[in-house]
This record gives sequence, C-alpha cells and structure tokens, in this order.
Amino acid sequence: DQQVKQNSPSLSVQEGRISILNCDYTNSMFDYFLWYKKYPAEGPTFLISISSIKDKNEDGRFTVFLNKSAKHLSLHIVPSQPGDSAVYFCAASKPEDKVIFGPGTSLSVIP
Amino acid sequence: NAGVMQNPRHLVRRRGQEARLRCSPVKGHSHVYWYRQLPEEGLKFMVYLQKENIIDESGMPKERFSAEFPKEGPSILRIQQVVRGDSAAYFCASSPNQGTPLHFGNGTRLTVT
Repeated sequence: DQQVKQNSPSLSVQEGRISILNCDYTNSMFDYFLWYKKYPAEGPTFLISISSIKDKNEDGRFTVFLNKSAKHLSLHIVPSQPGDSAVYFCAASKPEDKVIFGPGTSLSVIP
Repeated sequence: NAGVMQNPRHLVRRRGQEARLRCSPVKGHSHVYWYRQLPEEGLKFMVYLQKENIIDESGMPKERFSAEFPKEGPSILRIQQVVRGDSAAYFCASSPNQGTPLHFGNGTRLTVT
C-alpha cells in the first residue's frame, strides 16, 4: 500500500523553463512533507520541506506547494538548469513517526 | 564537519554469507534510519533507532535482518544468510530529532552472487 505516490516516473524539460514535479499522498495524518534530490551513486540530498500549516514554501529556485484538501503537493523549479537533472523523491511523515518516500521522478533538463 | 558515513560503499557476498553494513551518523545526531532501495524502486523504510534502542522496525524483514545503534560506535545493519533478493542499495540517514530533515549517507551497494 503506497502512501506516497509520484505517478510520473520521468520528466523532460528544456533548460530555463519551469519543472513541475507532482506528488500525491493517501494518509491525512501526514503533517510534514519533504523533497529530496538524488544523483546516481549518491545518497538523497534534502531540498525543501513544508509543514501542513503552510501551503507554500520557497527557497531560491525551488518552491513547494501543498494542497491538503487534495492531498497533493508539487515542487516547482524555475528556471530549470542541466545540473537539476536527477531523481526527485517526495516524502512525508506523521508526527513522531518515520519518513515515507515516494518512488521518485527522474528529471532531465535538456540544454 | 563530516556528514553521514557509510561503509563499505560496495559489498559482494555469496549466498548464505553474512553482510554487515556500518553507518556513522552526523556528529550530534541521535536518530538513525535505514532505508533500502531495490533496482528501479524508491526508498523503503527498514528501521529507526536511537542510541541503544530500536524505535520502529516495521520495515525490517522478520528473519535474517537485524540492526543496532550502540552507545559507542556506528549503527550496524546485519543481514544473515544473504539471498540474491537482498541485492540492493542500503542507505543510512540521521537527524538531530524527529520532524527535521534526514541527512543521508552515500549508501552501501550490496551484491549477492
């Protein structure tokens, strides 16, 4: 039973354009959401997070949007750069509980 | 200011042997998590430990797998009598407390021949 879903296994975007990565979750008890980026042969690196009391968090080129009623969050990267090409994992957790990861979306930014 | 250190980076074991994966968390972090990534899949939670305590092992297979985080020294994930299906990348992560982002190591890639 997958509690965190990323329905797009891959995404290609032109350099300079916006990348939008989507994530859906099923557990309404999740209150903390994170995005991680992973390059091959490396561990995931934390990008940005958002708590359920907010609907938007921004950090430089990265913005995360949370729609609690739809149990949906998205990561926007603008402008996209070739170095952003990686696998992006959406993750969520309940209070005082482990972090559950989605299956990942592979982003390719084409120069 | 070292991050999470995992070793070895690559480990090859024959079926039936034991695999020991080590993880040193970020200095000052008392929460350690182990995740497994099978080929073409995402990160699956295995176990969450604090010093000398297993807090949540709901993702650990019931047999052959064990984990510890002793008072002194690294966290160890131990797999006894490995089988081909254990071949995966095993990632360790640490955090100073819950509700904060996890810091990941670069993983141990286990290959069972």
